[in-house]
Amino acid sequence: DAGVIQSPRHEVTEMGQEVTLRCKPISGHNSLFWYRQTMMRGLELLIYFNNNVPIDDSGMPEDRFSAKMPNASFSTLKIQPSEPRDSAVYFCASTLGDKQTQYFGPGTRLLVL
Amino acid sequence: AQSVTQLDSQVPVFEEAPVELRCNYSSSVSVYLFWYVQYPNQGLQLLLKYLSGSTLVKGINGFEAEFNKSQTSFHLRKPSVHISDTAEYFCAVRASNSGYALNFGKGTSLLVTP
Repeated sequence: DAGVIQSPRHEVTEMGQEVTLRCKPISGHNSLFWYRQTMMRGLELLIYFNNNVPIDDSGMPEDRFSAKMPNASFSTLKIQPSEPRDSAVYFCASTLGDKQTQYFGPGTRLLVL
Repeated sequence: AQSVTQLDSQVPVFEEAPVELRCNYSSSVSVYLFWYVQYPNQGLQLLLKYLSGSTLVKGINGFEAEFNKSQTSFHLRKPSVHISDTAEYFCAVRASNSGYALNFGKGTSLLVTP
C-alpha cells in the first residue's frame, strides 16, 4: 500500500501566483481531509469530503482557497492568488468509515514569498 | 463543538525515564480520542485511539493512554522513553455521533536526551 500521496512535496512561489496542491488517497478510502499546519495556529482542518462530496468547508480561510475531488482517487487544493500568510505545511488525510484511522500524507511545504 | 488542550508545549526528558503528555478535552457529547505522532518532516502517524470500552488503551511503540471521563482527560504515557521517541505529539478529538473531522491540540514537543 503506497499510503496517501501528496505532490509537490515542496513549493516556493511568489505572492499573487496560483498554487495547486494534489492528493491521492489510499485506494478504497471514502473520506478525504485537507489540513493546514502552522506554528501559530497548529493543525487546522480546512475541508473534508465524503464519497467525493464536500461535507464541511467551514475551515477554508477565504475565497482564495478552493478544493475539489473529481473522483475517489484524486483531490486538489488551490490557492489563487497566494499570499505570504498562506505559507504552511498542507496535509491530506484519508479514511474509510466512521471509526477508522485517518492516514496522513507526508505533506506539502508551501512558501509564498 | 469539541476542543483539545495540550497543557505542555515542550517536555524534555532523559532516556529511559517515564513520561506523561497531558491532554484535556471539552465536549458536550461523547467523543472519540486519538494520539498522533509526527516525526520531523513527516506526516502524522496514529499512536492509539479510544472509541469505547476499556479506558486504558495501548498503542504502538510502547505508548498507552487512559480515558478519564470525569476529568475529561486522555493523557499519554510511556514507562521508559528512547531517543527515537523525540517527536511532536498531537492529541485529537471528534464527536462520536457526527462527522469524521478531527480537532487537534497544539501539540507537545517531546525531547529525549541521553
